[in-house]
Amino acid sequence: GQQLNQSPQSMFIQEGEDVSMNCTSSSIFNTWLWYKQDPGEGPVLLIALYKAGELTSNGRLTAQFGITRKDSFLNISASIPSDVGIYFCAGRPRGSNYKLTFGKGTLLTVNP
Amino acid sequence: DAGVTQSPTHLIKTRGQQVTLRCSPKSGHDTVSWYQQALGQGPQFIFQYYEEEERQRGNFPDRFSGHQFPNYSSELNVNALLLGDSALYLCASSSTGGPSNQPQHFGDGTRLSIL
Repeated sequence: GQQLNQSPQSMFIQEGEDVSMNCTSSSIFNTWLWYKQDPGEGPVLLIALYKAGELTSNGRLTAQFGITRKDSFLNISASIPSDVGIYFCAGRPRGSNYKLTFGKGTLLTVNP
Repeated sequence: DAGVTQSPTHLIKTRGQQVTLRCSPKSGHDTVSWYQQALGQGPQFIFQYYEEEERQRGNFPDRFSGHQFPNYSSELNVNALLLGDSALYLCASSSTGGPSNQPQHFGDGTRLSIL
């Protein structure tokens, strides 16, 4: 079945630094989504991408849908302490309009 | 505008028991998906309900079943509970009106612990 490889597994950065994380797959995805999950809460949607090559921003967050449709990245600029949490990529595989496949997450820690 | 709500927030059961989890979708949404999230992992798709029918299922045994009501709310039932069923169960809702790739919005989940 389709699997998403998300990296890095964890990051420890200083406040103000930029962050980049990515997600790759061996198969084609039609949709890429990025979620953030805080302890004790459900994932919150950050950015949704629907077309290959699409680059979308949401405040300090920028994400891109890879041109091969097999990868996506998320950048966070000028990190702040509230950026701490687990970031998940998720994709909707080609041929499946409904199911989301998730990566294993990137744990981000920001040192004030 | 209420988001996705789930109940209960926490539940403790013993092996062999049965459990029912509940979900109310975000206002305006008609589709409900259920996910299982083990500790340290990403959510795994269980199934999705639309128009009161299951329309896609992930790789979960028949012990996992569901239901969707006319008001779009949904239940997840798990029979013959195993220790490995301990996880956070997440409900996500979306709207099927328009493009089929509407993003899913998640509730805060039900933490199920099996003793």
